[in-house]
Amino acid sequence: AQSVSQHNHHVILSEAASLELGCNYSYGGTVNLFWYVQYPGQHLQLLLKYFSGDPLVKGIKGFEAEFIKSKFSFNLRKPSVQWSDTAEYFCAVMISGGYQKVTFGIGTKLQVIP
Amino acid sequence: DTEVTQTPKHLVMGMTNKKSLKCEQHMGHRAMYWYKQKAKKPPELMFVYSYEKLSINESVPSRFSPECPNSSLLNLHLHALQPEDSALYLCASSFSGGEETQYFGPGTRLLVL
Repeated sequence: AQSVSQHNHHVILSEAASLELGCNYSYGGTVNLFWYVQYPGQHLQLLLKYFSGDPLVKGIKGFEAEFIKSKFSFNLRKPSVQWSDTAEYFCAVMISGGYQKVTFGIGTKLQVIP
Repeated sequence: DTEVTQTPKHLVMGMTNKKSLKCEQHMGHRAMYWYKQKAKKPPELMFVYSYEKLSINESVPSRFSPECPNSSLLNLHLHALQPEDSALYLCASSFSGGEETQYFGPGTRLLVL
């Protein structure tokens, strides 16, 4: 079974700082990868996804993530965070091959200080 | 319409009660999902319906009973729950249940007393 590790559980940054959230998965085969975001009081929303092609994917609100297959990683980045980015971020993996099961990481709570 | 809606938003029930959670989407999606999210934990898959048929049951206790009356609607019937079942119950949908993005509803926050 696949598993997802998010190394930083709570990150505090000042506005304009750069962000990188780590995500590693354990599965030797082909995977589809996601980052979801949950803003305070709101539901899970898709930030970006990787299915195939260019391993550098761009999502909404200036976020991007890079899939590095050799490192089993899919780290999320943003060059300059804003207070409105305060939220919980979940990395998720789906095994490729028609499966429907998405496995989530434990989440990283990001707090951006104005 | 790109939303998944869930009712009720909050639910408090006793251990002997019977209640139901409802999820609806009008995106034409043919796969719908129930997840359970405990505090400070990630969402965990419970059930998957594809084309109104149950395709995945992640060994969920029988006190949780899913139902998919049509492609737009998904219910979760609750009976004889335990306090440890208190959690946020999330519904999601996707186009057909393959390798696709799942879209989540806001959840129902359940408290079992």
